[in-house]
Amino acid sequence: QVQLQESGPGLVKPSETLSLTCTVSGVSISSYYWSWIRQPPGKGLEWIGYIYYNGGTNYNPSLKSRVTISLDTSKNQFSLKLSSVTAADTAVYYCARRGPRGEEFDYWGQGTLVTVSS
Amino acid sequence: SYEMTQPPSVSVSPGQTASITCSGNKLGDKYVCWYQQKPGQSPVLLLYQDNKRPSGIPERFSGSNSGNTATLTISGTQAMDEADYFCQAWDRSTVVFGGGTKLTVL
Repeated sequence: QVQLQESGPGLVKPSETLSLTCTVSGVSISSYYWSWIRQPPGKGLEWIGYIYYNGGTNYNPSLKSRVTISLDTSKNQFSLKLSSVTAADTAVYYCARRGPRGEEFDYWGQGTLVTVSS
Repeated sequence: SYEMTQPPSVSVSPGQTASITCSGNKLGDKYVCWYQQKPGQSPVLLLYQDNKRPSGIPERFSGSNSGNTATLTISGTQAMDEADYFCQAWDRSTVVFGGGTKLTVL
């Protein structure tokens, strides 16, 4: 059974870097593409980016200058760093697996709320 | 950047058919996925490749995609189907979500 679990600070100060980790169980991270997706309170979903097991990445152009997604295969984890955060980055952050057909996100973490505030 | 537009809200009576649309330029040339999200929960994949249901998704959920519009159809809508619904597609190796539709069953 595939499970994803986000972890990291729930509060980040403006201008600092948001850091989250997604721990994957039930499947090796050394396959599939792994994504971060966020949802501001009361709003829609926004794709942040993905990473492949070989370390290849692709990011949302609107966030690309501030985003880094990395992989730790030894821990079966992948991580998100978003720099220079503002209140607009306050959101529930989800990690998700891009499914075997290539278009869908078939497994999602429970999400973690990150608030940007001083 | 590519955009997909959904109606903010749709209402349906129990037992009736609900249709939720997702519009985008030449959307029919892309594969569309649909997700259901209930309050406080993570999104759940309902349909992929326009109209295919993952294991465990009831048959009352179906989809179509042609021209500029993809449609999620819920037949025999139940109270438990009250939720937010999002469409999703890929454009030039990036992921795009529609703005979401709140389905009210009343």
